[in-house]
Amino acid sequence: QSALTQPPSASGSPGQSVTISCTGTSNDVGGYNYVSWYQQHPGKAPKLMIYEVNKRPSGVPDRFSGSKSGNTASLTVSGLQAEDEADYYCSSYAGSNNLVFGGGTKLTVL
Amino acid sequence: QVQLQESGPGLVKPSETLSLTCTVSGGSISNYYWSWIRQPPGKGLEWIGYIYNSGTTNYNPSLKSRVTLSVDTSNNQISLRLSSVTAADTAVYFCARGFCSSSSCSRFQFDYWGQGAQVTVSS
Repeated sequence: QSALTQPPSASGSPGQSVTISCTGTSNDVGGYNYVSWYQQHPGKAPKLMIYEVNKRPSGVPDRFSGSKSGNTASLTVSGLQAEDEADYYCSSYAGSNNLVFGGGTKLTVL
Repeated sequence: QVQLQESGPGLVKPSETLSLTCTVSGGSISNYYWSWIRQPPGKGLEWIGYIYNSGTTNYNPSLKSRVTLSVDTSNNQISLRLSSVTAADTAVYFCARGFCSSSSCSRFQFDYWGQGAQVTVSS
């Protein structure tokens, strides 16, 4: 199965909002509400930021929000802070007990 | 606090079998799904497969013929074996725990991760 499509890069200034998209198909993103988003700083393990499209695990700031429309999921980071600079990956259940990840987006805080 | 620690050889020869172990501390492996996920250098994440403490497994179709996951509940360990490796299997290998919300436990959303084990396939 193909990876989900994410823009390679995104950027914003401190305090601004930025949205990262994650495009799949009706067989993954569009077909299930099991989209997750992970933040990964260089040399570190990924951290779960959003699960089931729009839910935040305990401890994740409410500046991070998720949504989905059709075959595209989105992660919005509001009130950008320097520590938000990282790689972000989406993932989606793809049916038949399978999981697919996006290619990742490098978020730069200008 | 749950902690995961991957261990195993950092260098594997082509055509041989890659073997890694994930040791879980600070919590039980029971009643959770445990996955292996890898990340080639400079690239994105790829899910390898999951195992439940009962031994139930499921693998990425693209790797299924070469992957075996196993669980050792007495030692709180999950193991990965990947056979017939090539340079394309060079990656950081992570183990991760399936996230449990207040209502259900997920096979495919991960809240705790190990720090990762670098594995290079080279002669």
